[in-house]
Amino acid sequence: EIVLTQSPGTLSLSAGERATLSCRASQSIDSSYLAWYQQKLGQAPRLLIYGASYRATDIPDRFSGSGSGTDFTLTINRLEPEDFAVYYCQQYGTTPRTFGQGTKVEIK
Amino acid sequence: QVQLVESGGGLVKPGGSLRLSCAASGFSFGDYYMSWIRQAPGKGLEWVACISNTGRTTFYADSVKGRFTISRDNAKNSLSLQMNSLRVEDTAVYYCARDGWMQLRGFEYWGQGTLVTASS
Repeated sequence: EIVLTQSPGTLSLSAGERATLSCRASQSIDSSYLAWYQQKLGQAPRLLIYGASYRATDIPDRFSGSGSGTDFTLTINRLEPEDFAVYYCQQYGTTPRTFGQGTKVEIK
Repeated sequence: QVQLVESGGGLVKPGGSLRLSCAASGFSFGDYYMSWIRQAPGKGLEWVACISNTGRTTFYADSVKGRFTISRDNAKNSLSLQMNSLRVEDTAVYYCARDGWMQLRGFEYWGQGTLVTASS
């Protein structure tokens, strides 16, 4: 099983700042199968990034993904009020599909 | 537009059974793998099970293997999750999602979720 470890657990930032979220895998992942999701309270997760760096449909360009192998990053430039949420990385190339434990981006 | 609508959640005693359904529309259902994912109250996302586009191949998390069964009916654009021998720790919101393994697209669409509570 591929274990994904996200850091930090919580990120306290102000609107307008940049958020950098990390996802580290226990073994190398084909970057084609690495995704990032945003989840707000009471809502289903929303796909932001797939294939490590491709934005999903209608995702603003302030969201970007990068990385390869075992280290992946989600960057949110110029945080907007609606970006404060929990973010999960996921690998979907093997079973079990696995998610990281999440990073909460909160208002400072 | 793509829609996934879950149903079938509810309160069940430990040891009991429940069957979840997911009605899909707006896309060619038979072209996609499908997955169930759950989220316990206040916790993160946990993948539960996946089924191939044809329905011939299934995969399960160790935590549910032998107790849960995923199935699909491509003629009816529907996905199911039969949950037996439910435990307190199975309490969660259960989501169905379109699994983008074949298309390299991640889980692009999710249902709104259905709550399963296993409690005496």
